Amino acid sequence: DQQVKQNSPSLSVQEGRISILNCDYTNSMFDYFLWYKKYPAEGPTFLISISSIKDKNEDGRFTVFLNKSAKHLSLHIVPSQPGDSAVYFCAAIYSGGYQKVTFGIGTKLQVIP
Amino acid sequence: KAGVTQTPRYLIKTRGQQVTLSCSPISGHRSVSWYQQTPGQGLQFLFEYFSETQRNKGNFPGRFSGRQFSNSRSEMNVSTLELGDSALYLCASSRAEQSGVGGYTFGSGTRLTVV
Repeated sequence: DQQVKQNSPSLSVQEGRISILNCDYTNSMFDYFLWYKKYPAEGPTFLISISSIKDKNEDGRFTVFLNKSAKHLSLHIVPSQPGDSAVYFCAAIYSGGYQKVTFGIGTKLQVIP
Repeated sequence: KAGVTQTPRYLIKTRGQQVTLSCSPISGHRSVSWYQQTPGQGLQFLFEYFSETQRNKGNFPGRFSGRQFSNSRSEMNVSTLELGDSALYLCASSRAEQSGVGGYTFGSGTRLTVV
C-alpha cells in the first residue's frame, strides 16, 4: 500500500522553463512533507519541506505547494537548469509521533539544454 | 563538518551469505534510519534507531536486522542473502527527536550485489 505516490516516473523539461513534480498521499495523518533530490551514485539530498499549516514554501528557485484537501503537493522549479536533472523523491511524515519517513518512488527529471 | 559515512561503498556477496553494513551519522545526530532503494520501489524503510533503541521497523523479513551503538554509529545486517536483496542501502541521520523533521542527511549508500 503506497501511501505516498509519485505517478510520473519521468519528466523532460526545456532549460529555463518550469518543472512541476507532483506527489499525492493517502494518509491524512501526514503533516510534514519533504522533497529530496538524488543524483546517481549519491545519497538523496534534502531540498525543501513544508508543514501542513502552510500551503506554500519557497526557497530560491524551488517552491513547494500543498493542497491538504486534495492530499496533493507539488514542487515547482523555476527556471529549470541542466544541473537540476536528477531523481526527485517526495516524502511525508506524521510529526506527532516517532513515525518513519515515507517516500514516494521518485520522478526522474531531465532538463534539456 | 563530516557527512554521513557508509561503508563499504560496494559489496558483492553470494546467495546464502550474510553481510554487515556500517553507518556513521553526523556528529550530534542521534537518529539513524536505513532505507533500501531498488528500481521501481523507491526508498523502502527498513528501520530507525534513536539512542540505541529501535523506534520503528518497516515491512522487511527478520533476515534484516540492525543495531545502534552508544556513539550513534549503526550497523545493518542481512542474513541468508537472496538475489532480491541486491539494492542500494542508504543510511540517513537526523538530529531531531522526531526523526526526519527538518530533513534527513543521507549517506552515499552501499551498493550490494548478490550473485
